Amino acid sequence: ELKVEQNPLFLSMQEGKNYTIYCNYSTTSDRLYWYRQDPGKSLESLFVLLSNGAVKQEGRLMASLDTKARLSTLHITAAVHDLSATYFCAVDKGSQGNLIFGKGTKLSVKP
Amino acid sequence: DAEITQSPRHKITETGRQVTLACHQTWNHNNMFWYRQDLGHGLRLIHYSYGVQDTNKGEVSDGYSVSRSNTEDLPLTLESAASSQTSVYFCASSRGPQETQYFGPGTRLLVL
Repeated sequence: ELKVEQNPLFLSMQEGKNYTIYCNYSTTSDRLYWYRQDPGKSLESLFVLLSNGAVKQEGRLMASLDTKARLSTLHITAAVHDLSATYFCAVDKGSQGNLIFGKGTKLSVKP
Repeated sequence: DAEITQSPRHKITETGRQVTLACHQTWNHNNMFWYRQDLGHGLRLIHYSYGVQDTNKGEVSDGYSVSRSNTEDLPLTLESAASSQTSVYFCASSRGPQETQYFGPGTRLLVL
């Protein structure tokens, strides 16, 4: 059974600091997704990582995938308040769009 | 602009009633998905469809059903609502099974 674990589940950061969110999964998959969710809102796609070694960057966020270690990271550089949200990783079970989500990391960026 | 919509956005119902949540997308996506989101569980897949007349069970399908009669719509039915089905329900769609899934705004369902 595919399990997806994120850590930390809660993260309080100061503006300007760097931090990394980790996403571990238990069985082989070559496709991983990162989503952002603001309170009371829907999910917004951030990144799709398609192969081992894939790295994608958008603004202050950078995501990477190591399929051998079954690990993806979401690195936050010089955090700003606007990044406060909950971040989910999701792994494709069986490469058919059957996504298994982690429980999410609630990020709070404080001045 | 193409979009994905859900209705109603909020619903209160009683235990034992049948409830149908609507999902409509205008992207002409073949793939559609229903998830529920609960505190402490993240999102869990209920049912999904890869095209008209195709439906599949997800991780937490008991007590739910879907039907796909056209490309644009995938309604989710709770046959006999239970308090454990109080949740936020999200519909999503994608162009292909391995493409990014785009999520609707969600439906908050309260079963009393």
